[in-house]
Amino acid sequence: EVQLLESGGDLVQPGGSLRLSCAASGFIFSSYAMSWVRQAPGKGLEWVSLISGSGGSTSYADFVKGRFTISRDNSKNTLYLQMNSLRAEDTAIYYCAKSSAAYYSELDYWGQGTLVTVSS
Amino acid sequence: QSVLTQPPSASGTPGQRVIITCSGSSSNIGSNYVYWYQQLPGTAPKLLIYRNDQRPSGVPDRFSGSKSGTSASLAISGLRSEDEADYYCATWHDSLSGVIFGGGTKLTVL
Repeated sequence: EVQLLESGGDLVQPGGSLRLSCAASGFIFSSYAMSWVRQAPGKGLEWVSLISGSGGSTSYADFVKGRFTISRDNSKNTLYLQMNSLRAEDTAIYYCAKSSAAYYSELDYWGQGTLVTVSS
Repeated sequence: QSVLTQPPSASGTPGQRVIITCSGSSSNIGSNYVYWYQQLPGTAPKLLIYRNDQRPSGVPDRFSGSKSGTSASLAISGLRSEDEADYYCATWHDSLSGVIFGGGTKLTVL
């Protein structure tokens, strides 16, 4: 059974940093791309970043470029999102999601999300 | 404002057929697959349709997807109360080199 468990969400001040983790199980982690998708309170889904199965290719939404870094440790079956220079508008539930292929494709499994709150 | 345009709301009575549209451009829907996700209240999104019109196992055949040119549609037939949810279309955007979601459509079953 595929399981994705996010962690690391917290209350952080504007300008601060946070690292999210997503522990994966139930599939061959290195064979699939992974994404982070966020959802601000009461708002729609917003794609944040994508990393290929090997980790060699990444892509970011314009609003996080230069501030967020996606990475993965295939030996630990874990996906990460390093978030720096956080802003109030980054407040959201952050979901990790698995693609059905080594690069971008449909997001066939989602975690339950972790809440990031950016506020002073 | 999203690059993919969805109606913010839709509604129907039990048993009816409802269609949710998703409008894009040649840089996104026009040249890539469209996906649909269902988000029930208080839960994580779930894949509903992939590659324009394919249903993952476990998704009832009441749900169907289609694509024509730069637009896509999700049809829900035999509407049921448990279909009340937010529905999002998504696709790859070539010039942005990233994924884009529609703004979402809140479906109400009257």
